Amino acid sequence: EVVLTQSPGTLSLSPGERATLSCRASQSLSRGYLAWYQQKPGQAPRLLIYGASRGATGISDRFSGSGSGTDFTLTISRLEPEDFAVYYCQQYDHSPLTFGGGTKVE
Amino acid sequence: EVQLVDSGGGLVQPGNSLRLSCAASGFSFSGYSMNWVRQAPGKGLEWVSYISSSSSTIYYADSVQGRFIISRDNAKNLVYLQMNSLRAEDTAVYYCARALGYLDWLDLWGPGTQVTVSS
Repeated sequence: EVVLTQSPGTLSLSPGERATLSCRASQSLSRGYLAWYQQKPGQAPRLLIYGASRGATGISDRFSGSGSGTDFTLTISRLEPEDFAVYYCQQYDHSPLTFGGGTKVE
Repeated sequence: EVQLVDSGGGLVQPGNSLRLSCAASGFSFSGYSMNWVRQAPGKGLEWVSYISSSSSTIYYADSVQGRFIISRDNAKNLVYLQMNSLRAEDTAVYYCARALGYLDWLDLWGPGTQVTVSS
């Protein structure tokens, strides 16, 4: 199965700063089938990005995704207080679906 | 309102069974595939099982293969996860999540239901 490694494990930033989160796949996601989710404590994950760079419905344009092959990035342009959460990447290029271990933005 | 609501979790002894339910509303349930994803305490997300819109295609993670059974009732807008031979390592919050197909993103999630396996 495809292993997704997210880095860093924790990102310590202040509101207004830029956040850059990395997700690296153990094998190429040739179709770019990578999604990003945000999870706040006690809540379900929420879809942010799919297809590596497509914003989900209703998601702020502060969130953007990029990358291809094995290296993908989620960027939050200017952190708002509500953006402090855990972020997960998920690949759906290969069976089974797998998730990264998460990056906490604090 | 478009939503999923999972239920049926609880405390169960090792070796016993539990059935989770997920109720869909606000969208055409029969047009979507459904998944179960779990999250152990303080851990990340783990995909558990998938069922296609017509129930014709079903997949399981290796960790639950042979013990869990996924099913759905399109007339009632419900998806189920029958969990048998439960183990301590099955302790987690279980989420149902919607998708268009198997290899797809998960665009709508239920709030989750807690399953605790302990004697």
